[in-house]
Amino acid sequence: DIVMTQTPLSSPVTLGQPASISCRSSQSLVHSDGNTYLSWLQQRPGQPPRLLIYKISNRFSGVPDRFSGSGAGTDFTLKISRVEAEDVGVYYCMQATQLFTFGPGTKVDIK
Amino acid sequence: EVQLVESGGGLVQPGRSLRLSCTASGFTFGDYAMSWVRQAPGKGLEWVGFIRSKAYGGTTEYAASVKGRFTISRDDSKSIAYLQMNSLKTEDTAVYYCTSSLGYWGQGTLVTVSS
Repeated sequence: DIVMTQTPLSSPVTLGQPASISCRSSQSLVHSDGNTYLSWLQQRPGQPPRLLIYKISNRFSGVPDRFSGSGAGTDFTLKISRVEAEDVGVYYCMQATQLFTFGPGTKVDIK
Repeated sequence: EVQLVESGGGLVQPGRSLRLSCTASGFTFGDYAMSWVRQAPGKGLEWVGFIRSKAYGGTTEYAASVKGRFTISRDDSKSIAYLQMNSLKTEDTAVYYCTSSLGYWGQGTLVTVSS
């Protein structure tokens, strides 16, 4: 089974400043079809998860362009260019290359 | 507008069964795989299982923690995905979300397994 890890697990950030979350998989997420099925989800307090990024770097419908994803193979990063108050919540990476696995989540809150 | 609405949650005793439904609208349901994901109180997300679209055989896959107890099915004529949960355990207590391979998530339904 593929194991997903995230760092940090908690990230206090200043409004208007950037934030970055790392995600690592226990094995390569490159699928036999050539795609890498690594997504990022946001879960605001009391809300269901919401897809932000799919296949490493593609923003989902309606996602602000301050969110960006990058990486390859086993190492991936989610960046928020300028954190806004509505970005508070827990962020999960998720792999769908071999069934599905979620990372433990990174809690983003305001300093 | 894409919508996924889960229903069927509630309080159930250990060892009993429950069936959840996920009613979809706003997209061609039959074209997409449907997954179930759960979240125990105060915990992270756990994948439960999924069902492929008929174009990919309509087959299912499950997490080890529910394999043999849970069954996912779909009725494309009604745009509904089901999660049949048998032999429920207290550790199955969670909010259950359905999600489509299109990327959308429902609001979730709470299942509480307790005597």
